[in-house]
Amino acid sequence: GAGVSQTPSNKVTEKGKYVELRCDPISGHTALYWYRQSLGQGPEFLIYFQGTGAADDSGLPNDRFFAVRPEGSVSTLKIQRTERGDSAVYLCASSLTGSFYNEQFFGPGTRLTVL
Amino acid sequence: LAKTTQPISMDSYEGQEVNITCSHNNIATNDYITWYQQFPSQGPRFIIQGYKTKVTNEVASLFIPADRKSSTLSLPRVSLSDTAVYYCLVGDAGYSTLTFGKGTMLLVSP
Repeated sequence: GAGVSQTPSNKVTEKGKYVELRCDPISGHTALYWYRQSLGQGPEFLIYFQGTGAADDSGLPNDRFFAVRPEGSVSTLKIQRTERGDSAVYLCASSLTGSFYNEQFFGPGTRLTVL
Repeated sequence: LAKTTQPISMDSYEGQEVNITCSHNNIATNDYITWYQQFPSQGPRFIIQGYKTKVTNEVASLFIPADRKSSTLSLPRVSLSDTAVYYCLVGDAGYSTLTFGKGTMLLVSP
């Protein structure tokens, strides 16, 4: 079956612009996660959805970052007034349920570059 | 959440067995140990998970001593394609998110 997909694969934007990153999880997975990875670092947690609701958004760095999952499947990560420090690879993952025991399946990521 | 410590990098040659050890001195009773692998320009991929003693799958083995304060990921007969970053993570069912460190960069040479 299809894995987790993310679009676009690359996004270049200018400082101050608004961007949206999309994640299509594996069908039937109720849990969806967003992570951010900078060069040479491990992925850093941003937000976790269980179904349609954000169960844990403690990793969002500030109020410029927002994510939605309106129908419990596709999710969109939205970044307002982008800054150069937002440049990173944004990873999405999904799992059958939201438990550490369950394997998380990661997408290939979206590489965001803010000029 | 138990802190994990693992080597920054390791080098090996094709055909050798590679063992990557992770320290997690503050592991809790209900914590499991999970390893992920990440290739360049890809998202992490689950390798193996265990609670105690030994777990083996088609990719790797995971050795966990009785005190569970460390664990060792064993990759038999590595190939060039095993060059990747390997992450050790610890958590229990109450944790939904994964907390990654910097991982271990394994470089396999011909």
